[in-house]
Amino acid sequence: QKEVEQNSGPLSVPEGAIASLNCTYSDRGSQSFFWYRQYSGKSPELIMSIYSNGDKEDGRFTAQLNKASQYVSLLIRDSQPSDSATYLCAVNTGGFKTIFGAGTRLFVKA
Amino acid sequence: DAGITQSPRHKVTETGTPVTLRCHQTENHRYMYWYRQDPGHGLRLIHYSYGVKDTDKGEVSDGYSVSRSKTEDFLLTLESATSSQTSVYFCAIRTSSDGELFFGEGSRLTVL
Repeated sequence: QKEVEQNSGPLSVPEGAIASLNCTYSDRGSQSFFWYRQYSGKSPELIMSIYSNGDKEDGRFTAQLNKASQYVSLLIRDSQPSDSATYLCAVNTGGFKTIFGAGTRLFVKA
Repeated sequence: DAGITQSPRHKVTETGTPVTLRCHQTENHRYMYWYRQDPGHGLRLIHYSYGVKDTDKGEVSDGYSVSRSKTEDFLLTLESATSSQTSVYFCAIRTSSDGELFFGEGSRLTVL
């Protein structure tokens, strides 16, 4: 069974701090990695994709990938209350399937 | 932007009744997916489709069937609903070759 593991949280950070979200995956053959944000009662929306080892930055968001350690992370700099949501790590395991972690709830305190 | 419409958005039904959820896309994407989301489990793949009449099972397919007779429509059917199928169901389309997904607004199903 291919798995994606995340700490369910909640993770609470003060406004302006860096939020660090982590994810591990079991399938070494995985090639594509994603972070989705989901507000309460809404559908998931893609915020970051990463395909090669290293860091990828987009505004306040940085995704980090380490395939040797089978580890993906998302850093949110200058966290805002509007960043409060559940963050889902997702892994494309090859072919057509994308597997999701259970999500980490993030609270940003004003 | 990709457009997905799920219907119904909310449904309450009784155990043993059949239920069909519809996912309609306007962008002609080849790959479509049905996920369910439950507290503590995240999104779990039920079934997916890689073309008209081409479907395959995901990780939690028992009790569900799907059909795709047209590119734009992907139907999820619960032949005989059970209380364990109470969930929020999300349809998604694959918008890139790398596997990026775009989700519909979800369908909340309650089985009493």
